[in-house]
Amino acid sequence: ETGVTQTPRHLVMGMTNKKSLKCEQHLGHNAMYWYKQSAKKPLELMFVYSLEERVENNSVPSRFSPECPNSSHLFLHLHTLQPEDSALYLCASSPAGYNEQFFGPGTRLTVL
Amino acid sequence: AQKITQTQPGMFVQEKEAVTLDCTYDTSDQSYGLFWYKQPSSGEMIFLIYQGSYDEQNATEGRYSLNFQKARKSANLVISASQLGDSAMYFCAMREGRGNFNKFYFGSGTKLNVKP
Repeated sequence: ETGVTQTPRHLVMGMTNKKSLKCEQHLGHNAMYWYKQSAKKPLELMFVYSLEERVENNSVPSRFSPECPNSSHLFLHLHTLQPEDSALYLCASSPAGYNEQFFGPGTRLTVL
Repeated sequence: AQKITQTQPGMFVQEKEAVTLDCTYDTSDQSYGLFWYKQPSSGEMIFLIYQGSYDEQNATEGRYSLNFQKARKSANLVISASQLGDSAMYFCAMREGRGNFNKFYFGSGTKLNVKP
């Protein structure tokens, strides 16, 4: 079983829709991350939660709203997105401290 | 300035040969970590290898080794005996920070194609 799971794997939505991306980690980690990966660009860190508290928000537009109800689950709520928001959204988790991140398979989002 | 620079957008290597993927980084921290990830076409990021800034020995994990040159701020990935399954995007990343919160920075990636 993969340590970090993401659902859905693919999502197509209109600009007026509201949808949510879900991430779940089964590794007992304390920190969770949302990244955006657009074509030909480095991964962009969007949000970081450590011990369920948001510790980083890298100037992400308010149409992206994260939620971390517990240390195992992370959501990204989407509303009124733009076509340029189409990308692969990756979730990751890591233990507290200096360790590497473990990634989920990603959600491929297309905004029409 | 970019935190992580990968200057090779694409690389080709013959199967069974070794290949080096370049990575340079920029940080003023004394304590940091360097990582390499592999991303196949399926999209999942797979952790390959880690090097701590205080580690004196180069990290090795099976066919992967990290050529860490601290003074030059480089952390090149060496893949020995390339296999067809090694064809993928490879990302270099750096971790800064301490305690419960770390910042991670990723390079733009190198696409590796292994030829039979």
